[in-house]
Amino acid sequence: GEEVAQTPKHLVRGEGQKAKLYCAPIKGHSYVFWYQQVLKNEFKFLISFQNENVFDETGMPKERFSAKCLPNSPCSLEIQATKLEDSAVYFCASSQLTRKGKSSYEQYFGPGTRLTVT
Amino acid sequence: GNSVTQMEGPVTLSEEAFLTINCTYTATGYPSLFWYVQYPGEGLQLLLKATKADDKGSNKGFEATYRKETTSFHLEKGSVQVSDSAVYFCALREGSTLGRLYFGRGTQLTVWP
Repeated sequence: GEEVAQTPKHLVRGEGQKAKLYCAPIKGHSYVFWYQQVLKNEFKFLISFQNENVFDETGMPKERFSAKCLPNSPCSLEIQATKLEDSAVYFCASSQLTRKGKSSYEQYFGPGTRLTVT
Repeated sequence: GNSVTQMEGPVTLSEEAFLTINCTYTATGYPSLFWYVQYPGEGLQLLLKATKADDKGSNKGFEATYRKETTSFHLEKGSVQVSDSAVYFCALREGSTLGRLYFGRGTQLTVWP
């Protein structure tokens, strides 16, 4: 598609439950980024992929968070045993080299998934 | 390390007023700089960008100039409209084109008619 799609739009989980979020990047984009927006405005980088390969995972809380980008499937971000502090809006972004070869690699953001942990 | 500092809001202006939102950065290399806008309930939209020193990014009447000497990328608009009400984020990306974005904490702008 022409836009980054994220599902679901809203997700409510009880503390300790699992949460799984999905992201379909723009068609033809090879790079996917996940960000967590907490406290209304602060963005925290989680992880990035180049195709199905992890490129940068320095922001991932590895104990409970995992992510995948498999061929021909939406990318996913999974949180095992959610905690109250995981309540946030999770944004996915995708990017690709422009057709003219200019290395702009602009990141296009999806509408986000609001996760509420109760 | 890399970081972005932008002026805290909220900023409240009357329609047709002049807007400045300050943004300064710290970077280890030669970053690209961006301004993103977030309307209520929506994701981030790229507003403008600059990839090297002295570049000026512009879009929809907004402008920002990449100032390496002052490590700044201030956002300006000569005459704001009610429809400009949103949260504005300054961001940088490291030299690598595959790099993640580092965001400031956002500035809420409200424009009254």
